[in-house]
Amino acid sequence: AQSVTQPDIHITVSEGASLELRCNYSYGATPYLFWYVQSPGQGLQLLLKYFSGDTLVQGIKGFEAEFKRSQSSFNLRKPSVHWSDAAEYFCAVGGAQGGKLIFGQGTELSVKP
Amino acid sequence: DTAVSQTPKYLVTQMGNDKSIKCEQNLGHDTMYWYKQDSKKFLKIMFSYNNKELIINETVPNRFSPKSPDKAHLNLHINSLELGDSAVYFCASSQVSYEQYFGPGTRLTVT
Repeated sequence: AQSVTQPDIHITVSEGASLELRCNYSYGATPYLFWYVQSPGQGLQLLLKYFSGDTLVQGIKGFEAEFKRSQSSFNLRKPSVHWSDAAEYFCAVGGAQGGKLIFGQGTELSVKP
Repeated sequence: DTAVSQTPKYLVTQMGNDKSIKCEQNLGHDTMYWYKQDSKKFLKIMFSYNNKELIINETVPNRFSPKSPDKAHLNLHINSLELGDSAVYFCASSQVSYEQYFGPGTRLTVT
């Protein structure tokens, strides 16, 4: 079955600290992987994507993610979190089937001053 | 110059009513989608259209009927609204490689 798991429902980090949000997926074919961010009351903004090639991908706002096929993971990282990073983060996987995305449950990030 | 826009942003209505949500994209994309986000923020695809043709219909009640008059527009009509239809509905579009761009969402509240 195709699925995405984000084990952490809520994470709190101090401003300036590093961040890692976990994402594990189950997908039968070659996965296309995405991280989206949703600020309160807003739509989803694409942070970064992985299709193929270099397993470390850079995104907007200083985020990066690493694809590890052996662990079926695509964790999101940021070396120094800013207060404006507080939001909901969604990992998603897609492939064939007309571009259908399967989303994880989301991780809510809070940032302490 | 909003890429994917939806109207209305908020929709409050009573059970049994019929309502529509409109979506427009100016990105020139061929494929458009409707997603539903429930109260726990879980996102699930409902429909996908490619060049006005329905390609994904995910076990959605037939009270929901998408309509795509052209490839830049995908509307969602909901008949006989129920309490459980309360959610945020997101429109999205994509061209190649499944990179989807989302609209701001429509928060539907059924009372």
